[in-house]
Amino acid sequence: DTGVSQDPRHKITKRGQNVTFRCDPISEHNRLYWYRQTLGQGPEFLTYFQNEAQLEKSRLLSDRFSAERPKGSFSTLEIQRTEQGDSAMYLCASSLDEGQPQHFGDGTRLSIL
Amino acid sequence: QKEVEQNSGPLSVPEGAIASLNCTYSDRGSQSFFWYRQYSGKSPELIMFIYSNGDKEDGRFTAQLNKASQYVSLLIRDSQPSDSATYLCAVNRGSSNTGKLIFGQGTTLQVKP
Repeated sequence: DTGVSQDPRHKITKRGQNVTFRCDPISEHNRLYWYRQTLGQGPEFLTYFQNEAQLEKSRLLSDRFSAERPKGSFSTLEIQRTEQGDSAMYLCASSLDEGQPQHFGDGTRLSIL
Repeated sequence: QKEVEQNSGPLSVPEGAIASLNCTYSDRGSQSFFWYRQYSGKSPELIMFIYSNGDKEDGRFTAQLNKASQYVSLLIRDSQPSDSATYLCAVNRGSSNTGKLIFGQGTTLQVKP
């Protein structure tokens, strides 16, 4: 059983640049979640998909953030015009259904110079 | 008041002892409860989940849930140095049908040889 896969593992970029992260969930998992985690804190919910539909976005997700899951399989998270405060670990998780355990990928660590 | 609260620690126990990690939550309608282990620089790893009041055991781990007291705990028996990590409590609020998890800030466990 292949776990959740995220790419890239690390991303270093200059302030103002755009970045895109990819997440491949566990196959047959309908739900896909994005979280963000900063040092010393637990993960914070950003958004989630049920198949290809994006059904909820956190207030943390400003207009610079966009996420897609075009065919209900992999998902992308794009951050436009990155800011210093965007530096964090971006985590993707998937689950079979609501309330079922969520399994996390290895995360993408974003550093803004 | 935070939605999910954990003592940040560190909690230090000797090798072979029982480690007790505690978590309280504010939403009385919460339905699903999860414990994740996170090593430094890594992503969260699911170790236990519990849905009903009482105890649930899996190997050296026991999750305990008391919905009346809005309290969930994790016991680790025969603690090993490899158990040294941050333990995250996560709750799926009953008022949300998204399945999104609300995390505590985590408790750091140190198991000393």
